[in-house]
Amino acid sequence: LAKTTQPISMDSYEGQEVNITCSHNNIATNDYITWYQQFPSQGPRFIIQGYKTKVTNEVASLFIPADRKSSTLSLPRVSLSDTAVYYCLASLGGTYKYIFGTGTRLKVLA
Amino acid sequence: SQTIHQWPATLVQPVGSPLSLECTVEGTSNPNLYWYRQAAGRGLQLLFYSVGIGQISSEVPQNLSASRPQDRQFILSSKKLLLSDSGFYLCAWSVTEAPLHFGNGTRLTVT
Repeated sequence: LAKTTQPISMDSYEGQEVNITCSHNNIATNDYITWYQQFPSQGPRFIIQGYKTKVTNEVASLFIPADRKSSTLSLPRVSLSDTAVYYCLASLGGTYKYIFGTGTRLKVLA
Repeated sequence: SQTIHQWPATLVQPVGSPLSLECTVEGTSNPNLYWYRQAAGRGLQLLFYSVGIGQISSEVPQNLSASRPQDRQFILSSKKLLLSDSGFYLCAWSVTEAPLHFGNGTRLTVT
């Protein structure tokens, strides 16, 4: 299972683009990379998942370089409501054992 | 559509009392089921996961146990709670390589 490393915290201002990078140096060939968002006293919520290159949905983009040893979650034009903890998870397809890292606490300032 | 139900939302229990938290999933068959715990201000700690009825994998040796009596039911138990068992307990489900889907959690306070 790939261990993930993220910055502990980040600050941003409303309207800015936020990029959160996750390192997963020992990612395996069949690992997917998934990002979750968690608000206080709530369960984490799925944001985006990818395997390689770029994935975009209505809330975020995920960039994965060719070597797949890192990934970057991009949140366009954040708002105060994006203040949350963001978790990166590199999951080994088939083992179903998902261990989360420490997460990145994003604070969006007015 | 799939839904996950977890109850109760909050629970206050004295030290030494038993615990039973229940989680059920609707709208899917043979899901992988998970119990996580989150201490205040901390990350998610995987406690147990199950890939089928009666199949439980334990990640953290302690006074908690889990059972899966039915395909879409996952129960977290303890015979005697400790103060250190306080935390936010989250149940989750997934299928194959699909993302995890979490319940709303149970806030357990052991007094």
